Amino acid sequence: AQKITQTQPGMFVQEKEAVTLDCTYDTSDPSYGLFWYKQPSSGEMIFLIYQGSYDQQNATEGRYSLNFQKARKSANLVISASQLGDSAMYFCAMRGLNTGGFKTIFGAGTRLFVKA
Amino acid sequence: NAGVTQTPKFQVLKTGQSMTLQCAQDMNHNSMYWYRQDPGMGLRLIYYSASEGTTDKGEVPNGYNVSRLNKREFSLRLESAAPSQTSVYFCASTPAGGEKYEQYFGPGTRLTVT
Repeated sequence: AQKITQTQPGMFVQEKEAVTLDCTYDTSDPSYGLFWYKQPSSGEMIFLIYQGSYDQQNATEGRYSLNFQKARKSANLVISASQLGDSAMYFCAMRGLNTGGFKTIFGAGTRLFVKA
Repeated sequence: NAGVTQTPKFQVLKTGQSMTLQCAQDMNHNSMYWYRQDPGMGLRLIYYSASEGTTDKGEVPNGYNVSRLNKREFSLRLESAAPSQTSVYFCASTPAGGEKYEQYFGPGTRLTVT
């Protein structure tokens, strides 16, 4: 069975510092995609970054990067130079090819607080 | 280009009442999804539609039905609402199946069943 684990219910970071949000996953799929979404207090879900299981390089999107360690089954999100607007819930998610690529599994989320 | 729209934004039902949540996308996506989000939990898949004319169960389908009315629209129906269905419901879409497409989400519907 597929599973996503986010072990940090809440995290604090000082403005302008970097922060790492942890995500580990379990899957038997030979091919899968890993995603991070941001959910601010307004409630919408915002896509941040994607990592394919066969990608050789870690994904980056602006201030977001994904520290992908396939052997350890981890896909941690790194936010550099935190801003007050980064305060939100962050969800790690995975979708595998074995389920036809339709069933996305989400973690329970990490709430990030950015301090001024 | 509105993306994914959902109606209503808020709804309060009494136990046993029925209602339909509407979702539409204007991105010409083939695949659409319904999720629920409960406090302290991530999103859980209720039903999905891989393409027009097909629907399949997700992780938590009990108590729900869906209709893929056409390529644009995917509705979720609660036939007899229960307090356990109090949740925030999100509709989403992707261009197709596969493991590489991010999901485009609607703004959500906050449903309370008393």
